[in-house]
Amino acid sequence: AQKVTQAQTEISVVEKEDVTLDCVYETRDTTYYLFWYKQPPSGELVFLIRRNSFDEQNEISGRYSWNFQKSTSSFNFTITASQVVDSAVYFCALIYSGSARQLTFGSGTQLTVLP
Amino acid sequence: DTGVSQNPRHKITKRGQNVTFRCDPISEHNRLYWYRQTLGQGPEFLTYFQNEAQLEKSRLLSDRFSAERPKGSFSTLEIQRTEQGDSAMYLCASSPEAPRKSYEQYFGPGTRLTVT
Repeated sequence: AQKVTQAQTEISVVEKEDVTLDCVYETRDTTYYLFWYKQPPSGELVFLIRRNSFDEQNEISGRYSWNFQKSTSSFNFTITASQVVDSAVYFCALIYSGSARQLTFGSGTQLTVLP
Repeated sequence: DTGVSQNPRHKITKRGQNVTFRCDPISEHNRLYWYRQTLGQGPEFLTYFQNEAQLEKSRLLSDRFSAERPKGSFSTLEIQRTEQGDSAMYLCASSPEAPRKSYEQYFGPGTRLTVT
């Protein structure tokens, strides 16, 4: 079975703090794809990143960075120097090779950045 | 390059009525997905089209639900005899053919359905 767990339901930080959102996944497939999406209050899901299972290289994009560790089945997301505009629900998701490429989502983490 | 659009954005209906939602994917995206999202949860997959062919349906998609993509462009999702449990946000997403990008799905703003 495929499953994505985001244990942190809500996180609250003060602006300029760093924050890490945790994601743990389960899949029996050796080929799979991991994603992070952002859902601001407006409701539209915004694609942030895709990572392939065969590429464990970490990635940095501006204030965002992602740490992919197959050994612990984790794909964590760090926001450096958080801003109020980062406030949103963040979803981690998985596509496994045996699927029709549908996303399996975690339950999301509500991030609130206070001024 | 316009994004995925969905209409209507909000729909309020009485229990037992039929409703239809429309999704216009990003042009030239041949894959189209429908998801349902309830409050406090992540989206759940409903169905998937590649061009006009419906290739996958979730067990969540009861007989009251039907989806079409007649010419491989826009898609419609119809719910017959709506129930209060159908109240949710219905999300549409599309992805391109390009091999490396075909796993990246781009979402529309959703249609929020309220069944009273």
